[in-house]
Amino acid sequence: QQQVKQSPQSLIVQKGGIPIINCAYENTAFDYFPWYQQFPGKGPALLIAIRPDVSEKKEGRFTISFNKSAKQFSLHIMDSQPGDSATYFCAASKGSWGKLQFGAGTQVVVTP
Amino acid sequence: DTGVSQDPRHKITKRGQNVTFRCDPISEHNRLYWYRQTLGQGPEFLTYFQNEAQLEKSRLLSDRFSAERPKGSFSTLEIQRTEQGDSAMYLCASSLELGELFFGEGSRLTVL
Repeated sequence: QQQVKQSPQSLIVQKGGIPIINCAYENTAFDYFPWYQQFPGKGPALLIAIRPDVSEKKEGRFTISFNKSAKQFSLHIMDSQPGDSATYFCAASKGSWGKLQFGAGTQVVVTP
Repeated sequence: DTGVSQDPRHKITKRGQNVTFRCDPISEHNRLYWYRQTLGQGPEFLTYFQNEAQLEKSRLLSDRFSAERPKGSFSTLEIQRTEQGDSAMYLCASSLELGELFFGEGSRLTVL
């Protein structure tokens, strides 16, 4: 049973566009929500993370929006660049930050 | 390079053979994790160590799988009597006790 559901499976945007990836979770005990970026042949790398006491967090061009009541969170990539083309995973965990439940991933392609 | 390193990067084996993967974490990290990632899916938690103690194992870790971290430094993941369904990327990650997870580049297993 997938505890974190991610959508869409893939998306294509033009350079400068704002890809938006959505995730939903069921377990209200989750208290840590990171996003990872993965390039082909590489391991996932932490992009940005949020705790449920905050509704929004920005780091550079990446923004997480968090809706605790709806049990949903999303990633926005502002002013997207071709170098942002990668697979993005949302994840969630409770207590121990390292035991993560990952979504299925979203392949983002940013065209020039 | 002081990141998480994994060896080998790619292993091709015949069904029924045993394989072993090695992970060298970031030196000051006391937690070490193993995840499995199949094509088009997010990583799935397998097990984790705090120092040399294996604290949790997923139901995904069948009896054919064994992981060790003998001196609290590097770790090995052995798969006995491999099956085609074991084909996946095996990811190692490390962290401080409550900190960001750093992933290695993974060991890809292909079982023929």
